[in-house]
Amino acid sequence: AQSVAQPEDQVNVAEGNPLTVKCTYSVSGNPYLFWYVQYPNRGLQFLLKYITGDNLVKGSYGFEAEFNKSQTSFHLKKPSALVSDSALYFCAVRDGYQKVTFGTGTKLQVIP
Amino acid sequence: EPEVTQTPSHQVTQMGQEVILRCVPISNHLYFYWYRQILGQKVEFLVSFYNNEISEKSEIFDDQFSVERPDGSNFTLKIRSTKLEDSAMYFCASSEARSFPGTNLYSNQPQHFGDGTRLSIL
Repeated sequence: AQSVAQPEDQVNVAEGNPLTVKCTYSVSGNPYLFWYVQYPNRGLQFLLKYITGDNLVKGSYGFEAEFNKSQTSFHLKKPSALVSDSALYFCAVRDGYQKVTFGTGTKLQVIP
Repeated sequence: EPEVTQTPSHQVTQMGQEVILRCVPISNHLYFYWYRQILGQKVEFLVSFYNNEISEKSEIFDDQFSVERPDGSNFTLKIRSTKLEDSAMYFCASSEARSFPGTNLYSNQPQHFGDGTRLSIL
């Protein structure tokens, strides 16, 4: 079975600073990787995906993620954090025909 | 932008009762899903549904669970006899289908989630 790991329960970053939310994956075959964000009392919103192609994937709200095959990582990044980016971020991998397996989530806190 | 909508937003039910959670997926999507998130825990896959049948299900999705697409717009999750441990947020999701020549209809399109139904079992 495929899996993703998010090693940090929480990441704190000052507004305006770059942010990174870490994710590593374990798959057999080609990885299909996703990042989702969850705001309080809301569902998950899709940010970006990696299927194939360029290792740097650009997504919504200025986020991007870098696929690194040798390190089996798919870290989420943003050059300049906003307070409104504070939320719960989930890395995910397609595991099976359609099933998506989510990581445990990382709470991002952007400090004004 | 089209959205997945779920009703009700909060459902309170007595243990042992049946509950039906409702979802309206995005209209041109063909794959449908249910996930749950127990408070403070990760989002867990329950089931995927395509072409009027279950395509995948997890070990959580046992005989007390069932899904149905009763008409052209709704997608429902039924829990037959609820237990305390069924208390969770239940998320519906849908995704587009993309076909690839020479293969079965197949999709790796992102799943779009509703805002969830909070199910509380008393």
